[in-house]
Amino acid sequence: DGGITQSPKYLFRKEGQNVTLSCEQNLNHDAMYWYRQDPGQGLRLIYYSQIVNDFQKGDIAEGYSVSREKKESFPLTVTSAQKNPTAFYLCASSSPGGGWETQYFGPGTRLLVL
Amino acid sequence: QKEVEQNSGPLSVPEGAIASLNCTYSDRVSQSFFWYRQYSGKSPELIMSIYSNGDKEDGRFTAQLNKASQYVSLLIRDSQPSDSATYLCAVNRFGGYQKVTFGTGTKLQVIP
Repeated sequence: DGGITQSPKYLFRKEGQNVTLSCEQNLNHDAMYWYRQDPGQGLRLIYYSQIVNDFQKGDIAEGYSVSREKKESFPLTVTSAQKNPTAFYLCASSSPGGGWETQYFGPGTRLLVL
Repeated sequence: QKEVEQNSGPLSVPEGAIASLNCTYSDRVSQSFFWYRQYSGKSPELIMSIYSNGDKEDGRFTAQLNKASQYVSLLIRDSQPSDSATYLCAVNRFGGYQKVTFGTGTKLQVIP
């Protein structure tokens, strides 16, 4: 089955710790995205990548880092510089074509601070 | 002004009624529009996309787009308790990188 997987489902971070969230897709999509969702707020874009070895900052990139070494994978690292990391993190992918782009989401990772 | 605006709700409708969800957007160059459904604690799932003015129907769902007035709506006919969720409106801007902007969502409650 094609789809997007995220792991872990829940992640606990200690003060000063870096943590990495996994996102893998087997949809052969070119573009991948990371969003953050806080209660009562819309999805906010952290980083996106349109091709391998290239990525761009979104609206709230401070305190986060990404890599895109493979088309299928787009891991997100939440660094100790991110002072308020508690949120629901969503990975999405899409395959641009014809000017229309539809994003499909993984199941999400909920990050909590201990 | 927010780029994509939705009434947060909750919107309560009785089972079997029509639920009407509205969304307005500020960028006139927006080209494509999406409705996602998000159950509590889950990720968004795509319900419908619409690109041209007018109506687009898919089962019990109808998306309506009016670019002149910059609004898009979603109608759910014969609402079911299983439709109770938050509905996110998303708008895709025209450009080299096709950024998608999401609204904060409208919570729908279908009362049995």
